[in-house]
This record gives sequence, structure tokens and C-alpha cells, in this order.
Amino acid sequence: DAGVTQSPTHLIKTRGQQVTLRCSPISGHKSVSWYQQVLGQGPQFIFQYYEKEERGRGNFPDRFSARQFPNYSSELNVNALLLGDSALYLCASSFLRDQETQYFGPGTRLLVL
Amino acid sequence: AQKITQTQPGMFVQEKEAVTLDCTYDTSDPSYGLFWYKQPSSGEMIFLIYQGSYDQQNATEGRYSLNFQKARKSANLVISASQLGDSAMYFCAMREGPAGGTSYGKLTFGQGTILTVHP
Repeated sequence: DAGVTQSPTHLIKTRGQQVTLRCSPISGHKSVSWYQQVLGQGPQFIFQYYEKEERGRGNFPDRFSARQFPNYSSELNVNALLLGDSALYLCASSFLRDQETQYFGPGTRLLVL
Repeated sequence: AQKITQTQPGMFVQEKEAVTLDCTYDTSDPSYGLFWYKQPSSGEMIFLIYQGSYDQQNATEGRYSLNFQKARKSANLVISASQLGDSAMYFCAMREGPAGGTSYGKLTFGQGTILTVHP
């Protein structure tokens, strides 16, 4: 079975621009979580979506938003990019109630210049 | 206070030997889950092992075992018979609250430990 997929793999943007990152969960998984991993640190939780509703939000500004589609795929949007938004953005999926573990995708590396 | 603390920035081990990666955690919630993930240089986080707070026995998955000491709030990862492919960053993470609860989707990660396996 295919794992979590993310696109694009790499992205270069300039300050002030907007970016959309995409994630497709493992087939049958209904929950998607997004994490930001700055170089040299552990991932930081941004959002969790389950059944198309936001179920959790980390300590990130309103420039960060996300949504989940009927097929459980998800998009993460970041507006007004800052240099500090440069990071690896990881998406993770889980079935939620019957499965403890979150399975991660390969990530999208975003560089903001 | 840090919720997950990994005190070893880097560890070295000889191939075929065992190595222990330390993790301590801080939570007041009686229900929580502890995870270890491996992150190679490619960036993908690979799930290794899980331990629930109510699990009576230490978790094992192949060459990975979790030394869970609840009273000391530690969840150390033991890798037996190290292989060259084990060289990577290792993260300890915690989920607070019961599965299916509002905090279920949030994992809190430590800073990681870089493991280098020497031939």
C-alpha cells in the first residue's frame, strides 16, 4: 500500500509570497496532521484535521491555514511568507480512533528567500 | 518546562553492538503515548515503536525495544545489533490524553539524538 505522499518535494519562494502544500494520507486514514521542522529541531505541531474539521491547532500565527477534502487529502497554506518559515513541512496520517500511530510522509522542503 | 527531553545530542556505536537512546518526559495526564521515530537524512519520519501509559509490558519491535520506567518518566529506546543503516536522527515523541481525545493529533517531539554506527 502507498504511504503518505506530499507535494511538492521542494519549493523556493520569496518573502511575502503565499504557498500551498499538499498531502495525501494512507488509504483508509481519516486524520491528517501537519508539522513544521526547522533545521536542527524536532517537528512542531501545526494542525490536525479529522473528517474535514480542524481538531487541533498548534502555536502558529493565522498566516497558517489548512483544510481537508472529502477524500481526506489536505492542503496547508501559508500566507505572507517570512524567512523563518523556511523548514521541512511534514504531513502525518492516522485512522485516529483505532490506531495510535501517526505515519509521516517524506515532507516538503520550503526555502524562503 | 520541556515536555520531551533528549539529553544526548549525538551517540556513537560500533556495528553489531547495542545502544540506548535516552528520553524523559513530563506530563500530568494519566493517559499518554510515547513514540520513537527515525529520521534519515532524506527527511522522512519512520515510526519505530510505541508505548502506551497503561501498557504493563515494555514494547518491542524486532531489534527495537522501549525501556519504559513510568515512575522515572523515562522511555529509552534500545537498539540491539546495530547496523550501518541505523545511522540517523532519532526522535522521542509524546501524545498527551487518551486516543480519540482532542489532543490526540498532537505529538510533542524532543530535540533528537544523532546516532552514528561505525563499521
